[in-house]
Amino acid sequence: AQSVAQPEDQVNVAEGNPLTVKCTYSVSGNPYLFWYVQYPNRGLQFLLKYITGDNLVKGSYGFEAEFNKSQTSFHLKKPSALVSDSALYFCAVRDKGDDKIIFGKGTRLHILP
Amino acid sequence: NAGVTQTPKFRVLKTGQSMTLLCAQDMNHEYMYWYRQDPGMGLRLIHYSVGEGTTAKGEVPDGYNVSRLKKQNFLLGLESAAPSQTSVYFCASKRGAAINQETQYFGPGTRLLVL
Repeated sequence: AQSVAQPEDQVNVAEGNPLTVKCTYSVSGNPYLFWYVQYPNRGLQFLLKYITGDNLVKGSYGFEAEFNKSQTSFHLKKPSALVSDSALYFCAVRDKGDDKIIFGKGTRLHILP
Repeated sequence: NAGVTQTPKFRVLKTGQSMTLLCAQDMNHEYMYWYRQDPGMGLRLIHYSVGEGTTAKGEVPDGYNVSRLKKQNFLLGLESAAPSQTSVYFCASKRGAAINQETQYFGPGTRLLVL
């Protein structure tokens, strides 16, 4: 069965600094990996995905993520954080041979002005 | 397009009562999902459907039933509500299984309080 771990409950970053939100996964086959963002009292919004191809994927709002097969990681990054990036971020995984999409526990990102 | 909508937005139930949460999508998506979101637990998959007339169990299916009689609707039922089912429920859909159809679209959520 697939699983996702987000080791940090909260990440604090000063505005303008680079940010990283960590995600590791476990699947028996090939992974499809996703990042979603949730703003207060809203549903989740898609940020980016890795399906196949280039290990570095770019998504919405200047975010990017790097697929690392050997470390089974898919960390979310942004070169320069904005206060408006403050939100709850979820990593998710689907095993290519399974229809279920499993989410991590989420990481709350605080960007400090 | 309205996207994914959920009804109701908020509900209070007493222990033992039953209710049905409705999820509707107007994007002609094949796949639909029900998740619950609890503090410290993230999103957990309750049930999902890969097409009209199909349903399957997710990570935490106990105490819930679902039906997908029409492609655009996915219903989540609680036959006998328990306080442990107090949560925020999210519905999501995606177009299909192809690699360019993997993005899920989420509804705004239903907040359920069971007393």
